[in-house]
Amino acid sequence: GNSVTQMEGPVTLSEEAFLTINCTYTATGYPSLFWYVQYPGEGLQLLLKATKADDKGSNKGFEATYRKETTSFHLEKGSVQVSDSAVYFCALLTGGGNKLTFGTGTQLKVEL
Amino acid sequence: SAVISQKPSRDICQRGTSLTIQCQVDSQVTMMFWYRQQPGQSLTLIATANQGSEATYESGFVIDKFPISRPNLTFSTLTVSNMSPEDSSIYLCSAADRPHTDTQYFGPGTRLTVL
Repeated sequence: GNSVTQMEGPVTLSEEAFLTINCTYTATGYPSLFWYVQYPGEGLQLLLKATKADDKGSNKGFEATYRKETTSFHLEKGSVQVSDSAVYFCALLTGGGNKLTFGTGTQLKVEL
Repeated sequence: SAVISQKPSRDICQRGTSLTIQCQVDSQVTMMFWYRQQPGQSLTLIATANQGSEATYESGFVIDKFPISRPNLTFSTLTVSNMSPEDSSIYLCSAADRPHTDTQYFGPGTRLTVL
């Protein structure tokens, strides 16, 4: 079956530090890959996505590249801000359906 | 995009009782879904709420335990029946504006604690 593995949190960084949150996946076929973000008290929001190998998704300074050879979709940001503090979920979607498979989420805390 | 609200945002319930969670979308959507997020675990799809017909449940979830209604294209409810402490979770509603789209919009979740 499909599965997503994320690095455990919490991840605590100082403002302007470089961020990497690792995500690897197992899937049949060729999944689409997503990063969702959940700010405190809010619903999950789609942060970025990539639908085929070597695609790079980007939004709000975050980037992730779909690496088929390593089955990975690591999230990166060059300089984090306090406002980036949230829980980040990696997810995949296969087969043209609507069933998302999520990782367990990684909490990011950014301090001044 | 769609904006989704859920009620209640949180509740504490006694074992053996039932709770109905409401999900409201600010626009008509084709697909609505219910997810569960147990403590320390990932989100798991419970069912797809179908307008005008029975919900489609994922493996491990049954209608008697999680009855779902979807009377129109903007509203759905999930009931957690005969609750036990193992049902303590965050329950999330999501929506997609068409089948087979890769974009889902999520509500803020309902945090349920069962004593």
